Amino acid sequence: GAVVSQHPSWVICKSGTSVKIECRSLDFQATTMFWYRQFPKQSLMLMATSNEGSKATYEQGVEKDKFLINHASLTLSTLTVTSAHPEDSSFYICSASVPGLAGGIQETQYFGPGTRLLVL
Amino acid sequence: GQQVMQIPQYQHVQEGEDFTTYCNSSTTLSNIQWYKQRPGGHPVFLIQLVKSGEVKKQKRLTFQFGEAKKNSSLHITATQTTDVGTYFCAGTSGGYQKVTFGIGTKLQVIP
Repeated sequence: GAVVSQHPSWVICKSGTSVKIECRSLDFQATTMFWYRQFPKQSLMLMATSNEGSKATYEQGVEKDKFLINHASLTLSTLTVTSAHPEDSSFYICSASVPGLAGGIQETQYFGPGTRLLVL
Repeated sequence: GQQVMQIPQYQHVQEGEDFTTYCNSSTTLSNIQWYKQRPGGHPVFLIQLVKSGEVKKQKRLTFQFGEAKKNSSLHITATQTTDVGTYFCAGTSGGYQKVTFGIGTKLQVIP
């Protein structure tokens, strides 16, 4: 259980175009989904927290107008990189939060496989 | 803001040797989680620690949560080549339950 899928797994696009990444929880309903980006050889950086039916909460320094997040249902969140530029090239990972699945009282995050974005 | 420091960043060990990675938080954590990321892959959840002083074991892996809930360690006994990867800790704190990842420890196991 607790499988999270992400689509696409990789994408190459031209500078100025928009790219949409989907994150789905396949066998559970996620109370919260998170979006991260990871630069090569670096740690995961939280971009935003997404709750179903409400606006996402963005971390400091993350442009909400550039990284649009929509969480339309308990199993789907989307991240749209608008007007992508080469500096947006990165590995984007989503995670879905499941309360108590690991036996603890706090929520546990399960990660999607990630999307590698290359902007030319 | 909350910071989670993780050391070492890199570790090379001979197969069969032990390995330990340490995480320290600038704030008291409500819980800490550990993840393993294989090269080219995504982070995979290993375990979550919640209680002060908690120790959990998974086969050759031993996880500890400090008494003050500000530090944690992951110890691998008798490493194997399958242990290769980057190990991340992730601490949760604050009313908003924000998760902050450590920088990760990249483990290389020499056969």
